[in-house]
Amino acid sequence: QKEVEQNSGPLSVPEGAIASLNCTYSDRGSQSFFWYRQYSGKSPELIMFIYSNGDKEDGRFTAQLNKASQYVSLLIRDSQPSDSATYLCAVKGGTSYGKLTFGQGTILTVHP
Amino acid sequence: DGGITQSPKYLFRKEGQNVTLSCEQNLNHDAMYWYRQDPGQGLRLIYYSQIVNDFQKGDIAEGYSVSREKKESFPLTVTSAQKNPTAFYLCASSGGFEETQYFGPGTRLLVL
Repeated sequence: QKEVEQNSGPLSVPEGAIASLNCTYSDRGSQSFFWYRQYSGKSPELIMFIYSNGDKEDGRFTAQLNKASQYVSLLIRDSQPSDSATYLCAVKGGTSYGKLTFGQGTILTVHP
Repeated sequence: DGGITQSPKYLFRKEGQNVTLSCEQNLNHDAMYWYRQDPGQGLRLIYYSQIVNDFQKGDIAEGYSVSREKKESFPLTVTSAQKNPTAFYLCASSGGFEETQYFGPGTRLLVL
């Protein structure tokens, strides 16, 4: 079982729709959760992090965390073609101490 | 202008050659990391350092070496023992309350 799992996609949504990206993790002791966006050929850039159960909103982005289900998600409202990228979920804490463990990423395509 | 710099952007390695990738940060972060990314894959941790003059192996350290003589610098050497070095190499550093990791622009290593 992979430690951090994401659906590799591609996930295709129309412009203006809500894109929902999901991530599950196996280490129940994990403490912090990060979402990164990576454009093709570029390095990952941080979108947001979450460490408490519930929702955390930042502009068009909402991160949702459910530690009981070991599940974290990222919602992108009013999706734009510029949101087309690979989205990486990363998990820290528990047995991995300060290190991040990354999922393989979900490719998102937003079509006009 | 704070950030993480990596050089070169592209690097070509001949058979049997050691090559060194540079990573410098001026964010005053204590921890630094090296990741490898293969096409369509997530990030895999090569080495990390939480303090000057100390570093630990990550998940795929074989064929690589690092040093951490200064807080700002964390160079990675890809040795001839690494038989499949072609990949995108990412350096990161972390700091702040959540030890959030930020990435440099990356170095793409190709084998001639």
